[in-house]
Amino acid sequence: GEDVEQSLFLSVREGDSSVINCTYTDSSSTYLYWYKQEPGAGLQLLTYIFSNMDMKQDQRLTVLLNKKDKHLSLRIADTQTGDSAIYFCANGGNNRLAFGKGNQVVVIP
Amino acid sequence: DTAVSQTPKYLVTQMGNDKSIKCEQNLGHDTMYWYKQDSKKFLKIMFSYNNKELIINETVPNRFSPKSPDKAHLNLHINSLELGDSAVYFCASSLGQGPGIQYFGAGTRLSVL
Repeated sequence: GEDVEQSLFLSVREGDSSVINCTYTDSSSTYLYWYKQEPGAGLQLLTYIFSNMDMKQDQRLTVLLNKKDKHLSLRIADTQTGDSAIYFCANGGNNRLAFGKGNQVVVIP
Repeated sequence: DTAVSQTPKYLVTQMGNDKSIKCEQNLGHDTMYWYKQDSKKFLKIMFSYNNKELIINETVPNRFSPKSPDKAHLNLHINSLELGDSAVYFCASSLGQGPGIQYFGAGTRLSVL
């Protein structure tokens, strides 16, 4: 199946780190993705990881992939108010992306 | 120079009406998609087209009919609108047959009264 599960809400103080988790069932995809949706806007690709990698670092973002447990996480270091958004993980397979239900991150100044 | 543009941004209409949402991408991508995002922010694919050909057609009522006049455009026509159609509809595109990295439009918020 293509089910992708995420927790729903996270509040974090400005300057702290945020960690968002995601689990998926379909392990056939080549890439897994993190998208960000700001209020009133479409989804914007944040980062992605190749399925044979365990970790990818991109400035303040760190993606960890545990293929055995089918678990993907996104760590945002030094969280800023502009990071307040909904974050979706997505799993690409079968010519489509399956999105998680999203995790709303609220950054408290 | 917006990459994926949708019109209109907001659409308010009565039950039973027919409406269309348009989408255009200027990225030279081969594949375009329509997604529906419900009030709980759950995002589900509805259709995708690759070079004007339908490749994904999820379980969507046949009141929804996508049309792709060329690979840069994918429009969505909805007949006999129902209250449950109220949602935000997103268009997206990607290079190749997909899924790949998808670029999203800003969304069309449809409210059916």
